[in-house]
Amino acid sequence: EAGVTQFPSHSVIEKGQTVTLRCDPISGHDNLYWYRRVMGKEIKFLLHFVKESKQDESGMPNNRFLAERTGGTYSTLKVQPAELEDSGVYFCASSHRQASGMAQYFGPGTRLTVT
Amino acid sequence: AQSVAQPEDQVNVAEGNPLTVKCTYSVSGNPYLFWYVQYPNRGLQFLLKYITGDNLVKGSYGFEAEFNKSQTSFHLKKPSALVSDSALYFCAVRDKPSNFGNEKLTFGTGTRLTIIP
Repeated sequence: EAGVTQFPSHSVIEKGQTVTLRCDPISGHDNLYWYRRVMGKEIKFLLHFVKESKQDESGMPNNRFLAERTGGTYSTLKVQPAELEDSGVYFCASSHRQASGMAQYFGPGTRLTVT
Repeated sequence: AQSVAQPEDQVNVAEGNPLTVKCTYSVSGNPYLFWYVQYPNRGLQFLLKYITGDNLVKGSYGFEAEFNKSQTSFHLKKPSALVSDSALYFCAVRDKPSNFGNEKLTFGTGTRLTIIP
């Protein structure tokens, strides 16, 4: 079974530009999560989809961040306009909906650098 | 609010020696606890979890973790370290899931484990 995939693996953009990150979860996983790790700090939760619906977006830093999951399959996370403090590694994770206690499976992450 | 503390940024262990990576947690109810490992240029890989049952949990690559409710700890251990165990280790906690099945994970800041040949 294929794991969680993320694209791109790296992105370097200038302040003020727009970037869109993509995540493809494991097939059949209804839960999809976005997390972010700013250099040297903990990995922080951004938001949680159940299928196409946003279940919890309490971790989204501000309205420059927009996440979508049209059709309940892959998800995108858009940052517009990007700021320097948005630099970090963005992780996507997925898990099966019905299995309470199931681990979340993470993708390799997208390293975003805003200059 | 739930939280996780990993008190050591860096742990160095000689190859063949036992290793421990420390984690303490705080949650309002019963915790669901996880360890993840990140190898260089790779994503987070699930190692093991504690949900309920035996306090000693066994996971991948020979790792195990001991849940201690009175000390609110979930330390990661391995009897004999390998050089290939060198990586970044994250402890995470989750509140009891809602009816939708899964909730967000709260992570510690990570511990870099270096095994010295």
